[in-house]
Amino acid sequence: DGGITQSPKYLFRKEGQNVTLSCEQNLNHDAMYWYRQDPGQGLRLIYYSQIVNDFQKGDIAEGYSVSREKKESFPLTVTSAQKNPTAFYLCASSPGPASPEAFFGQGTRLTVV
Amino acid sequence: GIQVEQSPPDLILQEGANSTLRCNFSDSVNNLQWFHQNPWGQLINLFYIPSGTKQNGRLSATTVATERYSLLYISSSQTTDSGVYFCAVTYSGSARQLTFGSGTQLTVLP
Repeated sequence: DGGITQSPKYLFRKEGQNVTLSCEQNLNHDAMYWYRQDPGQGLRLIYYSQIVNDFQKGDIAEGYSVSREKKESFPLTVTSAQKNPTAFYLCASSPGPASPEAFFGQGTRLTVV
Repeated sequence: GIQVEQSPPDLILQEGANSTLRCNFSDSVNNLQWFHQNPWGQLINLFYIPSGTKQNGRLSATTVATERYSLLYISSSQTTDSGVYFCAVTYSGSARQLTFGSGTQLTVLP
């Protein structure tokens, strides 16, 4: 079944701990993205990657890190430097410049306790 | 960067009614998508529509790129249409990442 898989769906973290959110796609898409959504708001871009081994900061990259070692995987690490990490995190991918339509995973809800 | 404004912010309808959601954007776009966010948070693709008109069942969308707006029409609404509808765009200065509006919260009452 093709698609974008995010795991886990729910994640609890203690303050001061780093945590990594997984995003895997089997759609053979070139580009991948991470967005953050706070209650009642739209999505804001954290990081994006258009090709393996390359990624760029989005609008709210502080306190986050990513890697893109494989085309199908784009994990996001929420570090202890992120001051307000509790949020809903969504991963997306798109095929390439000729076909920019983006598709989203089901999201990970992170709560800091 | 580009500004994306959606209206209305909230909309309450009786089942069976029709509605129109609007998305205005402040610059030329090369991609525009409409999404429905379901109660579990997942974003469902409705339309990829940088220009023109498309229809899919009870839903249709029109983008007038030269006037910088897009409309999403929902006819004969059902309770399952409830949720948040987002418009998102890419533009020449953004590579391929989407910039989202703040959404329209739609509630369809039985």
